[in-house]
Amino acid sequence: ETGVTQSPTHLIKTRGQQVTLRCSSQSGHNTVSWYQQALGQGPQFIFQYYREEENGRGNFPPRFSGLQFPNYSSELNVNALELDDSALYLCASGRQDTEAFFGQGTRLTVV
Amino acid sequence: GQQLNQSPQSMFIQEGEDVSMNCTSSSIFNTWLWYKQEPGEGPVLLIALYKAGELTSNGRLTAQFGITRKDSFLNISASIPSDVGIYFCAGQDTGNQFYFGTGTSLTVIP
Repeated sequence: ETGVTQSPTHLIKTRGQQVTLRCSSQSGHNTVSWYQQALGQGPQFIFQYYREEENGRGNFPPRFSGLQFPNYSSELNVNALELDDSALYLCASGRQDTEAFFGQGTRLTVV
Repeated sequence: GQQLNQSPQSMFIQEGEDVSMNCTSSSIFNTWLWYKQEPGEGPVLLIALYKAGELTSNGRLTAQFGITRKDSFLNISASIPSDVGIYFCAGQDTGNQFYFGTGTSLTVIP
């Protein structure tokens, strides 16, 4: 039990739509990162938030955006969904310079 | 995005055997982590390594942070059926970003 929870667990969206995924971090953790994991692949870093500001970004287009709230919960927003966006989306929380603990993920299917 | 080279890609072993997998990178990392992921779940942290040369154990698991800071290995001794899953290494760079390996799929035959 990592104390990191994500919602929803599964989601189906149509191409072109927008989606918001949510993550509730473990108490005391001030960083949250989001990852995209395609089937059969390792997680790919999307971005990290530290103290409510973006603190690093991977190779993802601007239609992937995020927010971190004062209570350390976080959102991942994806606009103009494409079929290739279908994946498991993972959030991970931690403290600066320490290990990250993952949620169970949100399985997004774009049709 | 950057990915680490992890080997082997898959392993099929008999229960009771020892397992060894490793991870290499072209970049230096400050932290190496090893995770296990089961179907439909997020990765679960197994071992975290913070210093070059560090050797750390967690039960039957042992991992080492390579001296060059560009590699790490994970050993599992006396494997059991519940060790089945996909094992990922991850490195954290100076920018606090994590990069994951391609995964090692472990199957344990009873």
